[in-house]
Amino acid sequence: QSALTQPASVSGSPGQSITISCTGTSSDIGGYNFVSWYQQHPGKAPQLMIYDVSNRPSGVSNRFSGSKSGNTASLTISGLQAEDEADYYCSSYTSSSPLFGGGTKLTVL
Amino acid sequence: EVQLVESGGGLVQPGRSLRLSCAASGFTFDDYAMHWVRQAPGKGLEWVSGISWNSGVKAYVDSVKGRFTISRDNAKKSLYLQMNSLRAEDTAFYYCVKDGYCTSPSCYRQLDYWGQGTLVTVSS
Repeated sequence: QSALTQPASVSGSPGQSITISCTGTSSDIGGYNFVSWYQQHPGKAPQLMIYDVSNRPSGVSNRFSGSKSGNTASLTISGLQAEDEADYYCSSYTSSSPLFGGGTKLTVL
Repeated sequence: EVQLVESGGGLVQPGRSLRLSCAASGFTFDDYAMHWVRQAPGKGLEWVSGISWNSGVKAYVDSVKGRFTISRDNAKKSLYLQMNSLRAEDTAFYYCVKDGYCTSPSCYRQLDYWGQGTLVTVSS
């Protein structure tokens, strides 16, 4: 199975909002509401930011939100802060093995 | 506090074997499925393998089937990954990861705690 498709990079200025897309197929994102998003700072382990498409774990800022339409999931970060600069990965359940996206590097200008 | 500490990584020649271990603490280990996720240096994440709470269900990505074996010891609160016939493309950081909801890898929804990773380098 191919990885989910994410843009290689996105950027935004402090205070702005950005959206990262994650495109799959009807066999993964489109078929189930089990999309999760992970943030990874350089040299660190990934951290869960969103699960089940739009739910935030306790402790994650409400500036992070998730959604899904058809075969595409999205992560939106509002009120961008310098600390949000990181790599972001989407992931989805499939009937075979879980899939990750290729990752998106977020730059805060 | 949930802690996952991996060990066992290192430099190994192609075709040889390596066994990774993960020591878990801070949660009821046998309540959850556990996973291994890898990341080649400078690359993205790849799910490698998962195991159910009671070791009854084990799942693998196609590229490691027949070469890697996942196991766990609930009494020791430990997760393992036996890697045989290693290839250069297996070079990566290997993360031990706790499932945030499921007891089996056949249900996959969230990976809520990650270890710091252990680096496996396959090279002659």
